[in-house]
Amino acid sequence: GQNIDQPTEMTATEGAIVQINCTYQTSGFNGLFWYQQHAGEAPTFLSYNVLDGLEEKGRFSSFLSRSKGYSYLLLKELQMKDSASYLCAVRANTGGFKTIFGAGTRLFVKA
Amino acid sequence: DTEVTQTPKHLVMGMTNKKSLKCEQHMGHRAMYWYKQKAKKPPELMFVYSYEKLSINESVPSRFSPECPNSSLLNLHLHALQPEDSALYLCASSLTSQGSNQPQHFGDGTRLSIL
Repeated sequence: GQNIDQPTEMTATEGAIVQINCTYQTSGFNGLFWYQQHAGEAPTFLSYNVLDGLEEKGRFSSFLSRSKGYSYLLLKELQMKDSASYLCAVRANTGGFKTIFGAGTRLFVKA
Repeated sequence: DTEVTQTPKHLVMGMTNKKSLKCEQHMGHRAMYWYKQKAKKPPELMFVYSYEKLSINESVPSRFSPECPNSSLLNLHLHALQPEDSALYLCASSLTSQGSNQPQHFGDGTRLSIL
């Protein structure tokens, strides 16, 4: 089966750094995505990892360890507009390619 | 605004009504998806179309009927829905369904309420 775990909520201060963790158990692993979703809006793509290591994209970085079934999303220089849900999503080939979403981490950025 | 357009944005219907949700993209993507999302829950995959053919049906009840008339359009036909079907219905597309590094692009969704 597939299982994805993320913290339900996190709070951080404007200008700070926050790390959102994601652990997963899946067969047929084929990559991990992070999406941002503001309330009432569509998810938007942030990052993708398929090999171990760190991918950096401006203020956002994502890390993957396939052997540990672990990823994190690092957000630097937090801004108020970063308050949103962050969805960890695993792509798996289980007789067809599917993307399974974690429940999401609601991040609150305070002044 | 997203590159995937969904209509209508909101829909209220009775349990005996028949309605359709529409999704359109002009990015040349050959994979299109329907997801259902309840409040404070992650999107749940319903259907995947690859090159206009249904490739995945996640055991969705037959009161939901997908249709892919061409490579740019995806419909979801609704009939005899239940109150628990009230949710945000998201359409997404990606270049193909099998490319590992291809993110999905989501529409803004249709918020459906069943009376």
